[in-house]
Amino acid sequence: DQQVKQNSPSLSVQEGRISILNCDYTNSMFDYFLWYKKYPAEGPTFLISISSIKDKNEDGRFTVFLNKSAKHLSLHIVPSQPGDSAVYFCAASGKSYQKVTFGTGTKLQVIP
Amino acid sequence: GAVVSQHPSWVICKSGTSVKIECRSLDFQATTMFWYRQFPKQSLMLMATSNEGSKATYEQGVEKDKFLINHASLTLSTLTVTSAHPEDSSFYICSAPRDRSSYEQYFGPGTRLTVT
Repeated sequence: DQQVKQNSPSLSVQEGRISILNCDYTNSMFDYFLWYKKYPAEGPTFLISISSIKDKNEDGRFTVFLNKSAKHLSLHIVPSQPGDSAVYFCAASGKSYQKVTFGTGTKLQVIP
Repeated sequence: GAVVSQHPSWVICKSGTSVKIECRSLDFQATTMFWYRQFPKQSLMLMATSNEGSKATYEQGVEKDKFLINHASLTLSTLTVTSAHPEDSSFYICSAPRDRSSYEQYFGPGTRLTVT
């Protein structure tokens, strides 16, 4: 039972344009959402997060949007850079515990 | 930022042998650590939660007798794959929360295990 889903396994974007990565979840008990970036043969690195009480969080080129009613969140990267090419994982956690459930990942390729 | 290390970074072992993987938090204490495995082109699957001073909590479907976890100190957790088989070949990653109340995890670089 995949509680966090990323339906696009891959995405290609031109350098300078916007990258939009999407994520859907099914567990209404999740109240904290995170995005991680991962290169091959390395551990994930934290990018940005959002609490369920918010609908938007911005950090530099990265913005995460949360639509609780739709159980959907998205990561926007503007402008996209070749160094952003990696696999991006959406993750979610619930109240009172730190266990994190990961999505299936989206491989982003930013074309120079 | 905080750093989590893993050792070894890669290991090859023969079927039937046991392999120990170490996960260390280098500049912070971690009462809880998490162990994941990742198959090629798949998501990170949580295997177990390692708790300092108490038994590990395993996720459904993970054999606790096969994947032994010991949280020896506030900076060290070990995962031992016992009687390894080729299907245990995978990328194993550990993580630790930034602090007791944080959802953000610091991840180790991972260990590539190949069982021949």
